[in-house]
Amino acid sequence: ETGVTQTPRHLVMGMTNKKSLKCEQHLGHNAMYWYKQSAKKPLELMFVYNFKEQTENNSVPSRFSPECPNSSHLFLHLHTLQPEDSALYLCASSRGVESEQYFGPGTRLTVT
Amino acid sequence: QKEVEQNSGPLSVPEGAIASLNCTYSDRGSQSFFWYRQYSGKSPELIMFIYSNGDKEDGRFTAQLNKASQYVSLLIRDSQPSDSATYLCAVARGNTGGFKTIFGAGTRLFVKA
Repeated sequence: ETGVTQTPRHLVMGMTNKKSLKCEQHLGHNAMYWYKQSAKKPLELMFVYNFKEQTENNSVPSRFSPECPNSSHLFLHLHTLQPEDSALYLCASSRGVESEQYFGPGTRLTVT
Repeated sequence: QKEVEQNSGPLSVPEGAIASLNCTYSDRGSQSFFWYRQYSGKSPELIMFIYSNGDKEDGRFTAQLNKASQYVSLLIRDSQPSDSATYLCAVARGNTGGFKTIFGAGTRLFVKA
């Protein structure tokens, strides 16, 4: 595997479910990101991790909980989501927080 | 004023023409500038980055940066229908404790065959 991978690619969950999104980067980068992209809307930065430490939380509701066990892996734990949380969730990584970012293919999430 | 502004488009150009995409930013301390292409339903893909004033060319793409005027542009020469996508401008600026990358809302480009 090369680049940035995300699993699952598609996820349908009910409002009472708990699920997790996984991201893995094989680029040797130090920073990782979660973004949300709703239909026809711009990218919304959610979280930034630099050397495993969270450096940015963009006022994200607590029903989204990130976890970064090491510089190569990033998770987004989801619980009691709302239908408006349905979106494309993108993971990205970069060498440093000032560097160009490389995106994974995304997870298309539908909350029913 | 948005930190990174782009015309939402759509920008429509005929095949073979030059497409010119523009982006302005508000923070004079911004240091790194990026262009991404995003096809519908796909994730953004890095096209180019530029750090210094002037032009940077890569194949059919040229990025232009003017820090005094706070704008960065992307020129696509010999536009092809496959270039039809949304183009995102991103700017990295200093932030408390480090840097922060801000994405524009994107410009939709349509290349007519």
